[in-house]
Amino acid sequence: GAGVSQSPSNKVTEKGKDVELRCDPISGHTALYWYRQSLGQGLEFLIYFQGNSAPDKSGLPSDRFSAERTGGSVSTLTIQRTQQEDSAVYLCASSHSPGFPGANVLTFGAGSRLTVL
Amino acid sequence: AQTVTQSQPEMSVQEAETVTLSCTYDTSENNYYLFWYKQPPSRQMILVIRQEAYKQQNATENRFSVNFQKAAKSFSLKISDSQLGDTAMYFCAFIDSGGGADGLTFGKGTHLIIQP
Repeated sequence: GAGVSQSPSNKVTEKGKDVELRCDPISGHTALYWYRQSLGQGLEFLIYFQGNSAPDKSGLPSDRFSAERTGGSVSTLTIQRTQQEDSAVYLCASSHSPGFPGANVLTFGAGSRLTVL
Repeated sequence: AQTVTQSQPEMSVQEAETVTLSCTYDTSENNYYLFWYKQPPSRQMILVIRQEAYKQQNATENRFSVNFQKAAKSFSLKISDSQLGDTAMYFCAFIDSGGGADGLTFGKGTHLIIQP
């Protein structure tokens, strides 16, 4: 696609429910990143994918968070048993592979705003 | 680990004025990239300008320019002839030249308000 697409744009859920957030990166971008932006805060790095592989999952806040990427394209971030502190904007970004021109320039989606009641 | 510090949580200037946003960073790397991203209320993070650490010349993009001081680890953004549409959160960000697993490290942002 022409840009990074994220869905849903907004999600309101009840505490304890599971949510799934989707990211569709720019075609040809093999690197994909998830960030969390809490109200009034900067961006917190969650996880990085190179292709379908995530070499380091230590940035995920808890074991309720998981992420996967299939076919080297679409990625989903799943939050199980949501808590109120999970309320935030979840941003996805993609880029070319390290070593390729433009690899260091991340293009962001518009984010998914999650509100846990 | 790299850190990025933006010491101005909020700034407000009149339209057409020039404003400078501050950013300092800490790294042991010699090759890296620095960025300024703009985030308007739409939430879309938009790349404003980038600087490669090995280049001494300061980057410019139309009304936007940077003052990159590598020894001081300083990377400020100057916006000339500010416009109402410049109102947004501005984030300074760092990535090492290898890119990849660490992604971008962001500062906490500066909320810039352009007054009519």
